[in-house]
Amino acid sequence: EPEVTQTPSHQVTQMGQEVILRCVPISNHLYFYWYRQILGQKVEFLVSFYNNEISEKSEIFDDQFSVERPDGSNFTLKIRSTKLEDSAMYFCASSVGGQPQHFGDGTRLSIL
Amino acid sequence: RKEVEQDPGPFNVPEGATVAFNCTYSNSASQSFFWYRQDCRKEPKLLMSVYSSGNEDGRFTAQLNRASQYISLLIRDSKLSDSATYLCVVTASGNTGKLIFGQGTTLQVKP
Repeated sequence: EPEVTQTPSHQVTQMGQEVILRCVPISNHLYFYWYRQILGQKVEFLVSFYNNEISEKSEIFDDQFSVERPDGSNFTLKIRSTKLEDSAMYFCASSVGGQPQHFGDGTRLSIL
Repeated sequence: RKEVEQDPGPFNVPEGATVAFNCTYSNSASQSFFWYRQDCRKEPKLLMSVYSSGNEDGRFTAQLNRASQYISLLIRDSKLSDSATYLCVVTASGNTGKLIFGQGTTLQVKP
């Protein structure tokens, strides 16, 4: 069964550094998403992306965050200057239409 | 009021038990509804979509009441492998696909 893949599985970064999280969505999917989950809390929406542009973003997704689909397969989330509170699991998801969404196994981001 | 509200549990049940989870949502414009399952520190995995007519998948039955903005999940004949956190998920209004997650209900099935 095709799946969404994310790299790295764990990223440790110093506060203030830039980080890029990578995702390879399922190949025929057209809609792409990033979510995050702080330890012990619920999954939160960050951004949705369709037709090479952001279709919606949350209040969390401020100017420090950006997304890109640089080629036909990768979908990346960049955090320009990380803060301690950015520590979380970051999940990429994709879908053919809007739903249902299939999630990758996540990147654990630890900010020191 | 929380956008999606669930009883966090934990629900501790013996193998073979029937257990029911409930969920309420605040946005009457939500169009799609789901139950996801999440194992500890893993990604959410789609368990089933929820339809107004109610739907069943093996031991799992989901119900939706749009008038009450209420969603339920029934698990019959619980297995040890059902132990996980069950996430009630709804779509936001609009067509962007944004999902809104509940906090999750933790189920522990014991031998």
